[in-house]
Amino acid sequence: SYELTQPPSVSVSPGQTASITCSGDKLGDKYACWYQQKPGQSPVLVIYEDRKRPSGIPERFAGSNSGNTATLTISGTQAMDEADYYCQAWDSSTVVFGGGTKLTVL
Amino acid sequence: EVQLLESGGGLVQPGGSLRLSCAASGFTFSSYAMSWVRQAPGEGLEWVSAITGSGGSTHYADSVKGRFTISRDNSKNTLYLQMNSLRAEDTAVYYCAKDSRPAMTTGTTYDYWGQGTLVTVSS
Repeated sequence: SYELTQPPSVSVSPGQTASITCSGDKLGDKYACWYQQKPGQSPVLVIYEDRKRPSGIPERFAGSNSGNTATLTISGTQAMDEADYYCQAWDSSTVVFGGGTKLTVL
Repeated sequence: EVQLLESGGGLVQPGGSLRLSCAASGFTFSSYAMSWVRQAPGEGLEWVSAITGSGGSTHYADSVKGRFTISRDNSKNTLYLQMNSLRAEDTAVYYCAKDSRPAMTTGTTYDYWGQGTLVTVSS
């Protein structure tokens, strides 16, 4: 079965750029999307189709996908961006989520 | 405004059954695929099942295949998940999620999520 691998945690200082990776076999041939989940809340879509932002998502959120790796980049990271982030892709009639990355802003 | 409201969660004994419902509003329900996604306490997201907008095609994770059944009633704008032969490892918050497309494809994305309903399987 298809797997997506994310680092368990990433730390970033306020105002700096955070990068969260998601790795999977030939992931660049698929569409990747990203969700943000804060404690006690439901996930929120922040990036879809590799690099598109839903309405209401700040421009500091950006995505890319090439080769075996998709990347979520948060520029000018703010304290409110501290959350768990999950990548997701579709493969062979199943939806696959990465294990999640806890982003700490300190 | 899109709203997804899950219900039906609760405490059930191992081997028991439960049916979850998700009432949808604010969009043309029959035009979009829908899914159930669960999250065990302190764990990540796990896709459970999906159904096309028409209800004509369903998909399941291996972990629930043969035990869970997804269905929808487009006349009532409601999504269901019938869960049988429940196990302790099925304990999780179950989310109803709206796909951005009528059927699961390579671009499947969940643009709206419900607030979740907790299912606890324990004796």
